[in-house]
Amino acid sequence: EVQLVQSGAEVKKSGESLKISCKGSGYSFTNYWIGWVRQMPGKGLEWMGIIYPGDSNTRYSPSFQGQVTISADKSISTAYLQWSSLKASDTAMFYCARSDQYYDSSFFDYWGQGTLVTVSS
Amino acid sequence: DIQMTQSPSSLSASVGDRVTITCRASQSISVYLNWYQQTPGKAPKLLIYAASSLQSGVPSRFSGSGSGTDFTLTISSLQPEDFATYYCQQSYSTLYTFGQGTNLEIK
Repeated sequence: EVQLVQSGAEVKKSGESLKISCKGSGYSFTNYWIGWVRQMPGKGLEWMGIIYPGDSNTRYSPSFQGQVTISADKSISTAYLQWSSLKASDTAMFYCARSDQYYDSSFFDYWGQGTLVTVSS
Repeated sequence: DIQMTQSPSSLSASVGDRVTITCRASQSISVYLNWYQQTPGKAPKLLIYAASSLQSGVPSRFSGSGSGTDFTLTISSLQPEDFATYYCQQSYSTLYTFGQGTNLEIK
């Protein structure tokens, strides 16, 4: 069974650093892209970026480039999303999701349960 | 960036109704369009990929159509569990942008 299990909720202060995780199981972790999606309180889904754990090829949305870092450790089937200096505006739910393909069409078929990040000023 | 615009933003309907949600892309995206359902407090769930392919396990009352810039998600007969927020997403460009969402409420 394919599963993505994310790390638990975090409460941080502005200026602090943070790294959240997403552990995949039940499939070949290195063969599928993993994406990260932000959902701010009461708002819609925002595509942040994506990584291919097989070679760590990473792509970012311009909105998030330079604001976060996406990485992966294929030896433990885990992807990460990290911040070096959090802001109150980073408060949101963050989801990881596996990207599969049908011919050239990509889609997120399995999702993690979400990690709630709360940043206080 | 490719912009995705959904309409309506919110919709009230009754159990048994047929409902259609529209998604429009700012440029042609062929059939690279997906639909997701999100219920409160839960992660999104894939319903339709490549514009019209039904994800495994998704009830057949859900269907998708369209190509180019205009797409629709149709629910043929609303069930109580279908009241949720629906998002379209394009995968034509590397930046897989989502629409703003359509909140489907019980009338």
